[in-house]
Amino acid sequence: DAGVIQSPRHEVTEMGQEVTLRCKPISGHNSLFWYRQTMMRGLELLIYFNNNVPIDDSGMPEDRFSAKMPNASFSTLKIQPSEPRDSAVYFCASSFGVLNTEAFFGQGTRLTVV
Amino acid sequence: QKEVEQDPGPLSVPEGAIVSLNCTYSNSAFQYFMWYRQYSRKGPELLMYTYSSGNKEDGRFTAQVDKSSKYISLFIRDSQPSDSATYLCAMSASRGGSEKLVFGKGMKLTVNP
Repeated sequence: DAGVIQSPRHEVTEMGQEVTLRCKPISGHNSLFWYRQTMMRGLELLIYFNNNVPIDDSGMPEDRFSAKMPNASFSTLKIQPSEPRDSAVYFCASSFGVLNTEAFFGQGTRLTVV
Repeated sequence: QKEVEQDPGPLSVPEGAIVSLNCTYSNSAFQYFMWYRQYSRKGPELLMYTYSSGNKEDGRFTAQVDKSSKYISLFIRDSQPSDSATYLCAMSASRGGSEKLVFGKGMKLTVNP
């Protein structure tokens, strides 16, 4: 298995632009998590899907952030409009069932907003 | 007080040393304790997973949980340069549902040959 696949690996964009991050979870996994990692705040859960349904989005920082999971093999995290403080590494993780304790992480998307 | 505290280091040790990494926490509801290893420019990978108090050993790695002190540790014996990475502790009150994993900020470890 190729693991959790995220794209792009790196994204540099100008403030105000829309950014879309993509994730393909491990086949057979039915839970998907989006995390954000910064030096200041560490790793934070943004949103959690189970069976393609958003279960907990309380970590989404603002209305500028939105996430979708149209099917079991694809999810997007969108930021519109982007701001410099959104610069971070965004990770997608997936797990079987609802086991948050055994999630597998992708390699992350390093986002820089200038 | 943050829910999970972890000394960010960095920590530099010679090859072969015993390494001790620690986290403290404040939420007594936490029952599941994990250690993740994160290599540079990579995602975290689960290293050790422990339920409740006690010790768990896996090769050169030992995880300890002391719930009475709200303190968890990861020991690495005979450390190798390949162990150089950032180590994050994480904990949760349950294994699933919408219970969030709470992560420490990570300790950067360098093992020098």
